[in-house]
Amino acid sequence: DGGITQSPKYLFRKEGQNVTLSCEQNLNHDAMYWYRQDPGQGLRLIYYSQIVNDFQKGDIAEGYSVSREKKESFPLTVTSAQKNPTAFYLCASSRGGRTGELFFGEGSRLTVL
Amino acid sequence: GIQVEQSPPDLILQEGANSTLRCNFSDSVNNLQWFHQNPWGQLINLFYIPSGTKQNGRLSATTVATERYSLLYISSSQTTDSGVYFCAGQGGSEKLVFGKGTKLTVNP
Repeated sequence: DGGITQSPKYLFRKEGQNVTLSCEQNLNHDAMYWYRQDPGQGLRLIYYSQIVNDFQKGDIAEGYSVSREKKESFPLTVTSAQKNPTAFYLCASSRGGRTGELFFGEGSRLTVL
Repeated sequence: GIQVEQSPPDLILQEGANSTLRCNFSDSVNNLQWFHQNPWGQLINLFYIPSGTKQNGRLSATTVATERYSLLYISSSQTTDSGVYFCAGQGGSEKLVFGKGTKLTVNP
């Protein structure tokens, strides 16, 4: 089935460690996005990519990094510079252009101890 | 940037009741979407509705672009409708902006 796969679903890390969250899609979508969700809040955009080998910062990019080497993959690294990394991370994709319909993965819940 | 306001923030219903959720935008949007987040965190796209009315089963949505709002109707609600409903809009920028959501609880 076509869709977006995020892994891992749950992740625990010690403070000061970098962690990479995986996002893979087989929808043949050009655009991919990473969002962060905190309890009781809406979604905030971290990074997005509209084409392979290109990406732009969203509203809260500090402390995060991404790469887009393949159309299907858009991994997110939460670095030690991110001051408050514990959150729910959601990856999404769309056909591209002016966003279009957005489809989400199941999310990755990161807890930093 | 565009501001998105959702109301009410919380809604509690008995199974079988109808409800209306509202989304207001501070500026014109040309991309408007409604999502449902289930209790496990999964976000499902319900409607892509920059204007007009669409229906899907017990759910329907109406966007009045000239007045900068959208409504999501849920009829004959079921316990599986519980969760958080988000609307998101996009104006002149490339980024979709999400509201803070309406948390719906449907009791049996």
